[in-house]
Amino acid sequence: AQSVTQLGSHVSVSEGALVLLRCNYSSSVPPYLFWYVQYPNQGLQLLLKYTSAATLVKGINGFEAEFKKSETSFHLTKPSAHMSDAAEYFCAVSEEYGNKLVFGAGTILRVKS
Amino acid sequence: EAQVTQNPRYLITVTGKKLTVTCSQNMNHEYMSWYRQDPGLGLRQIYYSMNVEVTDKGDVPEGYKVSRKEKRNFPLILESPSPNQTSLYFCASSLLAVSYNEQFFGPGTRLTVL
Repeated sequence: AQSVTQLGSHVSVSEGALVLLRCNYSSSVPPYLFWYVQYPNQGLQLLLKYTSAATLVKGINGFEAEFKKSETSFHLTKPSAHMSDAAEYFCAVSEEYGNKLVFGAGTILRVKS
Repeated sequence: EAQVTQNPRYLITVTGKKLTVTCSQNMNHEYMSWYRQDPGLGLRQIYYSMNVEVTDKGDVPEGYKVSRKEKRNFPLILESPSPNQTSLYFCASSLLAVSYNEQFFGPGTRLTVL
């Protein structure tokens, strides 16, 4: 079964600093990978997804993620954090058959002014 | 506006009192799914539906039922709720039941079972 590990349940950065949220996956086949964001009291919104077209994936709100097969990683980055980025972020891998998403435990991002 | 809606958004109930959480999507999506979110565990799939009249268990189906009689609706039924079902529930849908399809999520239903 596939699994996702997000390192760090809480990450705190200063406004304007680099954001790095870590995600490692286990999969026996090339996976489809997703990053979702959840703002307080809201549902999940897709930030970006990897579907093997390119290893560097650009998403909304200035976020991007790089797929590294050798490291089984799909870390999320943003060059300069904004206060509005404060939210919980989930990395997910899609099962090979069907459409089930397997989620990591989530990382809460705090942005300090 | 394309969206997934859930009702109610908040619900407090007592052990054993049957309840239904509704989910509806207006995007003509084939695939629908229910997840529960618990702190430190992320989201876990409860049930999913590949199409009308086709449903199957996810990772944590115990204590839940679903039905898919119409394409747009996918209600989640708790026949006899227990306190361990206190959680945040999300309904999601996607165009097709394929791995690369994005899933669209509803706003969530926060359920408390006393």
